[in-house]
Amino acid sequence: SQQGEEDPQALSIQEGENATMNCSYKTSINNLQWYRQNSGRGLVHLILIRSNEREKHSGRLRVTLDTSKKSSSLLITASRAADTASYFCAPVFGAPLVFGKGTRLSVIA
Amino acid sequence: DTAVSQTPKYLVTQMGNDKSIKCEQNLGHDTMYWYKQDSKKFLKIMFSYNNKELIINETVPNRFSPKSPDKAHLNLHINSLELGDSAVYFCASSQNRGDGKLFFGSGTQLSVL
Repeated sequence: SQQGEEDPQALSIQEGENATMNCSYKTSINNLQWYRQNSGRGLVHLILIRSNEREKHSGRLRVTLDTSKKSSSLLITASRAADTASYFCAPVFGAPLVFGKGTRLSVIA
Repeated sequence: DTAVSQTPKYLVTQMGNDKSIKCEQNLGHDTMYWYKQDSKKFLKIMFSYNNKELIINETVPNRFSPKSPDKAHLNLHINSLELGDSAVYFCASSQNRGDGKLFFGSGTQLSVL
């Protein structure tokens, strides 16, 4: 399959804690995207990491990529209730993006 | 100004009816898409258009017909609606850079009764 597969399927944490979500994929990629989907809304692009990068930061987000293991992780530090959403990874290899089921993150205040 | 807007947001209709969902993007992007998200939250690509031309047509029943009057618009017409068509449909657009950065509309929740 071409989509990334996120793990865990669901994650519940307390506000202020860190949240880590993992993504595995099967194809060679040009880069990998992470998206967020709030309930009842469309996906919003969060961060792109290129295949020649190992780590990328954006605010409270930290993304890693290990192309040898075909895996990526998204870390959200100091989580807030507003981070409650579903998170999707999307490996990019020249075809339209294919998405998995995502990780449903619940941040409890 | 909403970058990718789709209407209506909610659509409730009877089996067998024909309905349309409209999508417009004001980002100047070359490529537009339709995705379907089912109740299990899988988001599946349906169609992709580049400069008004169909470039991707996944395994979608031919009751679904996309129409792109210009590169800023991609509408989705569905004939003879079935119960299994109930889902949330998302329009998206991207610049044709191959970086996978898509901009999504807020979705149309279709309920077929």
